[in-house]
Amino acid sequence: SQQGEEDPQALSIQEGENATMNCSYKTSINNLQWYRQNSGRGLVHLILIRSNEREKHSGRLRVTLDTSKKSSSLLITASRAADTASYFCATDAIREGGSEKLVFGKGTKLTVNP
Amino acid sequence: DAGITQSPRHKVTETGTPVTLRCHQTENHRYMYWYRQDPGHGLRLIHYSYGVKDTDKGEVSDGYSVSRSKTEDFLLTLESATSSQTSVYFCAIRGLETGDEQFFGPGTRLTVL
Repeated sequence: SQQGEEDPQALSIQEGENATMNCSYKTSINNLQWYRQNSGRGLVHLILIRSNEREKHSGRLRVTLDTSKKSSSLLITASRAADTASYFCATDAIREGGSEKLVFGKGTKLTVNP
Repeated sequence: DAGITQSPRHKVTETGTPVTLRCHQTENHRYMYWYRQDPGHGLRLIHYSYGVKDTDKGEVSDGYSVSRSKTEDFLLTLESATSSQTSVYFCAIRGLETGDEQFFGPGTRLTVL
């Protein structure tokens, strides 16, 4: 069954605006990761946040994690047309033996209009 | 794509025929994964390997088998393809030295008629 679920399923914004995507998960985790997928390509890792971290930054990306609510958010600031892609959260599950396996959500499709 | 290649990149086959997809890495990473991606389902794990000849099932392993006889190659076999196995298949790798991040190949688009 799906561990992570992204919200919204689709998001359309104008260039320069911020984009926020959310991910909820069900069981205790070691870490949560965000990946990007451009159309027709493989997934690319963006950022990893561990269960003992609350916030992490990487360039224009900001990720937060709230383990009490079992949720995470990905914020892309000052979005560009090149940010148009699908974004997935992925979680491991402690009960599944740790980080050997990831479970991916269904993704948020982000469109940034020039 | 982080030293990962998948072959073939596209394949059309008929129901009932065997199909083998190949994932090749040049990074010498320990872990290799096969996923399928379908609209409305996201990415789902089929099988994975944690070493040569060491494999385990994922979420959607029925109808699939895998083999890993060399560190660099991970094969996914559909013994008798069905239309429900029409999908895009992604291979991923992960190494102990790279932490928990996975690196993905470019994908194989398989159509079963």
